[in-house]
Amino acid sequence: EAGVTQSPTHLIKTRGQQATLRCSPISGHTSVYWYQQALGLGLQFLLWYDEGEERNRGNFPPRFSGRQFPNYSSELNVNALELEDSALYLCASAQVPEADTQYFGPGTRLTVL
Amino acid sequence: GENVEQHPSTLSVQEGDSAVIKCTYSDSASNYFPWYKQELGKRPQLIIDIRSNVGEKKDQRIAVTLNKTAKHFSLHITETQPEDSAVYFCAASKGTSYGKLTFGQGTILTVHP
Repeated sequence: EAGVTQSPTHLIKTRGQQATLRCSPISGHTSVYWYQQALGLGLQFLLWYDEGEERNRGNFPPRFSGRQFPNYSSELNVNALELEDSALYLCASAQVPEADTQYFGPGTRLTVL
Repeated sequence: GENVEQHPSTLSVQEGDSAVIKCTYSDSASNYFPWYKQELGKRPQLIIDIRSNVGEKKDQRIAVTLNKTAKHFSLHITETQPEDSAVYFCAASKGTSYGKLTFGQGTILTVHP
């Protein structure tokens, strides 16, 4: 069974630009989560999508947004990039009803210059 | 909101010794507690989890204990091996309708041969 996949592996942007990160969940999983892992810090919850709807949102500004497609894949968009947005962005998927048992992808390393 | 504190931040043991990592949580409504292992440059991997209706769970050399009254839970690794060296994260969730995992800050475990 294929795991959670993410693309791209690395992304380099300059301040003010927009970044788009993509995630494909494990087959059969309908929930997708996004987390930010800044260097030396733990994982911070960003967004949760299930069945195409945003279910929960972490304490991040509105320039962090996303969506989930009919095939349950998801993308995370970060607008007006700031230097402190540099981090590893991890996607996780889960299967209802145990939507809190989450399996992570390898992450996208975003660097903002 | 939920807050999860994890200790120690670093832990160094000799091969064959036991390792214990402790976490406390603030929200008594939390009912799901997973542990993740993250090796350098790799994705967080779910290694064991426990729900609030269980006090202890064991899987080979790994065990997790939960004290709901004191609001803390611990990871126990016995007969440690060099390949156990990694960063370990605890997390807490208030349930499947909430989805979001709140993570501790991580423990860097080093097992010396």
